[in-house]
Amino acid sequence: AIQMTQSPSSLSASVGDSVTITCRASQGITNDLNWYQQKPGKAPDLLIYSASNLQSGVPSRFSGGGSGTDFTLTISGLQPEDFATYYCLQDYNYPFTFGQGTKLEI
Amino acid sequence: QLQLQQSGPGLVKPSQTLSLTCAISGDSVSSNSAAWNWIRQSPSRGLEWLGRTYYRSKWFNQYEPSVKSRITISPDTSKNQFSLQLNSVTPEDTAVYYCARDTSGWPFDCWGPGTLVTVSS
Repeated sequence: AIQMTQSPSSLSASVGDSVTITCRASQGITNDLNWYQQKPGKAPDLLIYSASNLQSGVPSRFSGGGSGTDFTLTISGLQPEDFATYYCLQDYNYPFTFGQGTKLEI
Repeated sequence: QLQLQQSGPGLVKPSQTLSLTCAISGDSVSSNSAAWNWIRQSPSRGLEWLGRTYYRSKWFNQYEPSVKSRITISPDTSKNQFSLQLNSVTPEDTAVYYCARDTSGWPFDCWGPGTLVTVSS
């Protein structure tokens, strides 16, 4: 199975800051990398698909990049509602695998 | 608008079978462009994709290797739903279980609300 490694595992920031979360795959996955946001007690929500495409309804302060093995999620101008846990997911091949998560805290 | 509604027991005894159902509204379990997944989440294992069922002129399944010998995901076209059965459960199977849809290009774009399943005697 492809291993997905996220860093950092936690991150402290303030409203208005910009932050970047990285996800590294154990082998090349072209651009089959997706990002999710999860708030406590809720299911994850799709933010970014195919590495850099913004899901409908997601604010433009979220952006994704990368290909192959290294990917980033950037949030520019943090808003209070952005403090959550973020996960990457590869759907390049089976079994689909998630990163371990990055908790974004104030 | 797609909605997924989960049902099933929240407590299962060790060695027994965990059974959950995900009812679909706003799409069809027989859709030729969707796949229907089960995913679980626990503090120790994080988010873990378990498997999927989908229809492309016939029914297909894929399963995560570590549970492949114990899992069945099956569609029920008469009720427009799909189900998860996980046999021989242990406390390690305690988790929040989610159903989720993915379509070509939009992985897991819609999730059920989650069901906490505890494996305990």
